[in-house]
Amino acid sequence: DAGITQSPRHKVTETGTPVTLRCHQTENHRYMYWYRQDPGHGLRLIHYSYGVKDTDKGEVSDGYSVSRSKTEDFLLTLESATSSQTSVYFCAISESMPGLGYTFGSGTRLTVV
Amino acid sequence: GQQLNQSPQSMFIQEGEDVSMNCTSSSIFNTWLWYKQDPGEGPVLLIALYKAGELTSNGRLTAQFGTTRKDSFLNISASIPSDVGIYFCAGPSGNTPLVFGKGTRLSVIA
Repeated sequence: DAGITQSPRHKVTETGTPVTLRCHQTENHRYMYWYRQDPGHGLRLIHYSYGVKDTDKGEVSDGYSVSRSKTEDFLLTLESATSSQTSVYFCAISESMPGLGYTFGSGTRLTVV
Repeated sequence: GQQLNQSPQSMFIQEGEDVSMNCTSSSIFNTWLWYKQDPGEGPVLLIALYKAGELTSNGRLTAQFGTTRKDSFLNISASIPSDVGIYFCAGPSGNTPLVFGKGTRLSVIA
């Protein structure tokens, strides 16, 4: 029943390489978000989008870029991965903002070695 | 930025026990949300609270919107093994994305 899917689910990459994570939704929601989850830090917002080609930075945006060329896809790119970016990344969607019923994907576990 | 403080950070309880956790903020919130994250999955919304003093239940879960509007509480009665997970409080900070607490990790010992 997933209206939101993340790919890949797991990835191991080397320091310095570019990495792109994909979030795909079938709900036609306007708002999409990327969070990272780390022990002791909870969920922290990286970037979010409020429409096609409309994005804004979150709390921990350094080292990350995003793109949204279609309503259904929101891409998160690590231009040059570092070990500090080892984390679990979650995408979420909502109809409005701030929005109450965020729907989260199942996450991407990224390991940078 | 806005911060939400959750306590406790973690809990180990026996099956059948009741659980209480809370979330506080330095500023007023107009909405409080409680999410649960099962291991290996994304968070799922459990309960939403919209006004001060509101008490809302969802099965064995009961959440309250604090009267000061700076805190919220979540109680779980008669815990069972499937209650294991991380519980997050969250709230909107103006017209910006949700702010999440750091979570309370619940472990249930059968």
